[in-house]
Amino acid sequence: QKEVEQNSGPLSVPEGAIASLNCTYSDRGSQSFFWYRQYSGKSPELIMSIYSNGDKEDGRFTAQLNKASQYVSLLIRDSQPSDSATYLCAVLYQAGTALIFGKGTTLSVSS
Amino acid sequence: DGGITQSPKYLFRKEGQNVTLSCEQNLNHDAMYWYRQDPGQGLRLIYYSQIVNDFQKGDIAEGYSVSREKKESFPLTVTSAQKNPTAFYLCASRREANSPLHFGNGTRLTVT
Repeated sequence: QKEVEQNSGPLSVPEGAIASLNCTYSDRGSQSFFWYRQYSGKSPELIMSIYSNGDKEDGRFTAQLNKASQYVSLLIRDSQPSDSATYLCAVLYQAGTALIFGKGTTLSVSS
Repeated sequence: DGGITQSPKYLFRKEGQNVTLSCEQNLNHDAMYWYRQDPGQGLRLIYYSQIVNDFQKGDIAEGYSVSREKKESFPLTVTSAQKNPTAFYLCASRREANSPLHFGNGTRLTVT
């Protein structure tokens, strides 16, 4: 059974703090990992893609991948109220042709 | 501008009626996908197609049907056999095997 697990939250952080979002997956052979942000009533938008172990930074966002632990995370530095949304982790499973999504973590950034 | 167009944005139907959701893309992507999202839930895969005239069932295909007669179009029909059709439906496409999905704006279907 292909699974992607995320804490549903809500995760509440004050403005300017670091938000840490976590995701685990069940297929050790997975190669491609994605983080999407979804505002209420809207479609998901891609924030980060990561394919190799380690960190990948893009502005205030850092994705971290540890394939041995089957764990991927997203750090948001200097969190802003506009970052308040649901963050979806998605995994492309080995030999798969479609992304499997977690249920998402709701982030709330208070000003 | 290239993108994925889903129509309509809101759709209302009576129970027992079939309804077709439109999805068109001009990104020249080969692969297209349909996902369903229920409140507080992640995205669940309904059907996907990697090339024209070919498609595969996802995790929750029962009560749905699709066609892929053109590269640009991947319509989804929600049949009367779908027990709980009210949901937010998202169409997506992808350029190549390891690339991310690009989503349309979604269709919110309400069946009463």
